[in-house]
Amino acid sequence: NAGVMQNPRHLVRRRGQEARLRCSPMKGHSHVYWYRQLPEEGLKFMVYLQKENIIDESGMPKERFSAEFPKEGPSILRIQQVVRGDSAAYFCASSPGRVDEQYFGPGTRLTVT
Amino acid sequence: GENVEQHPSTLSVQEGDSAVIKCTYSDSASNYFPWYKQELGKRPQLIIDIRSNVGEKKDQRIAVTLNKTAKHFSLHITETQPEDSAVYFCAASIRGNKLVFGAGTILRVKS
Repeated sequence: NAGVMQNPRHLVRRRGQEARLRCSPMKGHSHVYWYRQLPEEGLKFMVYLQKENIIDESGMPKERFSAEFPKEGPSILRIQQVVRGDSAAYFCASSPGRVDEQYFGPGTRLTVT
Repeated sequence: GENVEQHPSTLSVQEGDSAVIKCTYSDSASNYFPWYKQELGKRPQLIIDIRSNVGEKKDQRIAVTLNKTAKHFSLHITETQPEDSAVYFCAASIRGNKLVFGAGTILRVKS
């Protein structure tokens, strides 16, 4: 049973470009969460999705950030017009249900130059 | 508000000694409390968790205790080994939807 997969593992974007981060949950998991981690800091919740639905996006900036989890395919975190402050590690996690164990992917390290 | 406080921020212990990390949470409705271990450049790994209907849970050298009245929970690692060196994060469920994480504890086990 493959774990949570994320790609790309490293992403470099120039200011103003778009970043697309992908997350494939563990088999049998229909709940996906995105977190952001700045260097030497903790994990900050961004958004919680189930298939085709955003359940809680209270941690996501109102502008430039969006997330989706379509019926088919991976969950996507999209950052438009990236700025240097978006540089961070973005982790997704999946769980089989609400308030269940969340298993993390390897993360995507975004660098904005 | 949604807040999880974690102490200490750094902890150095001698190999073989015990390590204790403490967290407090603010949402009285929280009912799930996991602990994660993160090595440098790696993903957070779930090492143990506890639900609100249980006061203590143990898995080999790792144990977690929960005091719902005081909104405290703690991680205990006994007989520490160098490979236990990592950053440890506690978390609490909020509104049944998401986890709010503590700021992390850097554990160094000196051999």
